[in-house]
Amino acid sequence: AQTVTQSQPEMSVQEAETVTLSCTYDTSENNYYLFWYKQPPSRQMILVIRQEAYKQQNATENRFSVNFQKAAKSFSLKISDSQLGDTAMYFCAFMRIGRGSTLGRLYFGRGTQLTVWP
Amino acid sequence: DTAVSQTPKYLVTQMGNDKSIKCEQNLGHDTMYWYKQDSKKFLKIMFSYNNKELIINETVPNRFSPKSPDKAHLNLHINSLELGDSAVYFCASSQATSGRASDEQFFGPGTRLTVL
Repeated sequence: AQTVTQSQPEMSVQEAETVTLSCTYDTSENNYYLFWYKQPPSRQMILVIRQEAYKQQNATENRFSVNFQKAAKSFSLKISDSQLGDTAMYFCAFMRIGRGSTLGRLYFGRGTQLTVWP
Repeated sequence: DTAVSQTPKYLVTQMGNDKSIKCEQNLGHDTMYWYKQDSKKFLKIMFSYNNKELIINETVPNRFSPKSPDKAHLNLHINSLELGDSAVYFCASSQATSGRASDEQFFGPGTRLTVL
């Protein structure tokens, strides 16, 4: 079974600073997707960024970037120029690329609550 | 237009009752999911349907029964509600191409179920 571990239950950062959220995962698969989802107090799940395991280049979306280390099974999220609106629970998630009973199955970590202070 | 909608957003009910949560997506996706988020915010998949066929059926009590009348709808019916069923339930959808799910799942706003 796939497991996703987020070792930081809570983090805080001052506005405009940079913060990194860590995530590790365990799998024997070679090809898969990794994601960071954001859940603000509104509880809506919002996709922040995604990475395909076969791509060596780290994904970037505006102020959000990842450090994907496939051999180490590590997938950290860096948020630059933090904004108050970034305050949310952040979930790391893993998806096998497969068919049948694995179709679209997302495995989530337990989340990191990020608070951005003014 | 809302991509994935759920009704109701809040549901408060007594133990032992039967309730349903409805989910609809207007994205044209062929795969839909139900997730449960517990009081500690842990998210876990419960069910998924692909083209109205049950694909994923996690170890959940058989009091939970999903129903997919068509590709755009996936409802969740819960019989004999228990205190431990209190949680937020999320519906999601994605498109499977050649039998493989696309990477992005679109989530509904969630339904907070409280069992008293």
